Amino acid sequence: GQNIDQPTEMTATEGAIVQINCTYQTSGFNGLFWYQQHAGEAPTFLSYNVLDGLEEKGRFSSFLSRSKGYSYLLLKELQMKDSASYLCAVRSDSNYQLIWGAGTKLIIKP
Amino acid sequence: DSGVTQTPKHLITATGQRVTLRCSPRSGDLSVYWYQQSLDQGLQFLIQYYNGEERAKGNILERFSAQQFPDLHSELNLSSLELGDSALYFCASSAATGTSVTDTQYFGPGTRLTVL
Repeated sequence: GQNIDQPTEMTATEGAIVQINCTYQTSGFNGLFWYQQHAGEAPTFLSYNVLDGLEEKGRFSSFLSRSKGYSYLLLKELQMKDSASYLCAVRSDSNYQLIWGAGTKLIIKP
Repeated sequence: DSGVTQTPKHLITATGQRVTLRCSPRSGDLSVYWYQQSLDQGLQFLIQYYNGEERAKGNILERFSAQQFPDLHSELNLSSLELGDSALYFCASSAATGTSVTDTQYFGPGTRLTVL
């Protein structure tokens, strides 16, 4: 079957660094997406990885290892506004649809 | 602002009723996707349209249907509503069919449906 695993909840301190992991088992792979979703709001696109390695975008970076079926989202210099759910989604090659993880709720404490 | 619009923002109705949710994609996007998100749950893919044609189907109930019109806006129809249909319904759009590896979905603000 197709499966994406993320931790349900994480807590971090303002100003610190946090890494949110995502492991996947899908029929084929055509890219991995990270989205941020504040409670009651729409998911917003953060990053996209299709090749192995690190993609950096300001305070946020995303890493992919296709051989390990593994990705992480790294958030630096955490701010209170980073409190949100972070969704990992993989595009399989069976029908090009996105398979969504359940999301990781990140709580930032002062 | 993603450029995707959805109306209405909130909808309160009774069990057994029928409602229509509307979505306008970003300018130039040909694909529209519908998702359901129940309280504290993940996104459940319902259906995708590309340039007026149904492209892919997810976990969409038979009581639900959708279409995409020539001007590319889309409507999601929910009928014989049940209490469990209460959820946030999101529409997303993307430029192509989804077969481009860089094709990214951009989400509208959602419609919050409450069934009483």
